[in-house]
Amino acid sequence: AQSVSQHNHHVILSEAASLELGCNYSYGGTVNLFWYVQYPGQHLQLLLKYFSGDPLVKGIKGFEAEFIKSKFSFNLRKPSVQWSDTAEYFCAAQKGYSSASKIIFGSGTRLSIRP
Amino acid sequence: IAGITQAPTSQILAAGRRMTLRCTQDMRHNAMYWYRQDLGLGLRLIHYSNTAGTTGKGEVPDGYSVSRANTDDFPLTLASAVPSQTSVYFCASSGELGQGYEQFFGPGTRLTVL
Repeated sequence: AQSVSQHNHHVILSEAASLELGCNYSYGGTVNLFWYVQYPGQHLQLLLKYFSGDPLVKGIKGFEAEFIKSKFSFNLRKPSVQWSDTAEYFCAAQKGYSSASKIIFGSGTRLSIRP
Repeated sequence: IAGITQAPTSQILAAGRRMTLRCTQDMRHNAMYWYRQDLGLGLRLIHYSNTAGTTGKGEVPDGYSVSRANTDDFPLTLASAVPSQTSVYFCASSGELGQGYEQFFGPGTRLTVL
């Protein structure tokens, strides 16, 4: 079955630390990849997405992610986190080029930033 | 422009009762989705619709039904609620099912079944 794995359930960092959140997917072939963020008490918002082209994708708020096809990974990075980055982060994958393809979400990683 | 609205914001429901969660979007998106969010499990797809008049089952459809009479509305019905359906429910929409269109999410409905 197709799946998305986020191995870090809860990450705690200090402000200005660097961040990397892992994401692996099990799809073969063409895949579209997403990172969503959910701030406390809010709904999910798109951080960034990868469809094709440059495997290093830049998103909002200084986040970026790198698609590594050989590793089936799409890790999220930020060089220096802020307290306002405290949120839950969801990786998601969608098999490309299919009009009936749904997005599968990972279980999420909760990020806590110490001021 | 509201995007996606959901009602109610929260609800406490007795087991066995029928409940309909409402979802409306004003973006003229073709595809709509219902997810439930549970701690440690992320978002799981309940049902989806790729266009008005059609619906499909997601990962966890049992105990839920949906309808899509028009483009804007996608209600989710629990025919006879059970405590395991306690969750936060998110409605989402996208321009087309598949093809890499991002999904836009509503604010959620927090449902507690006692």
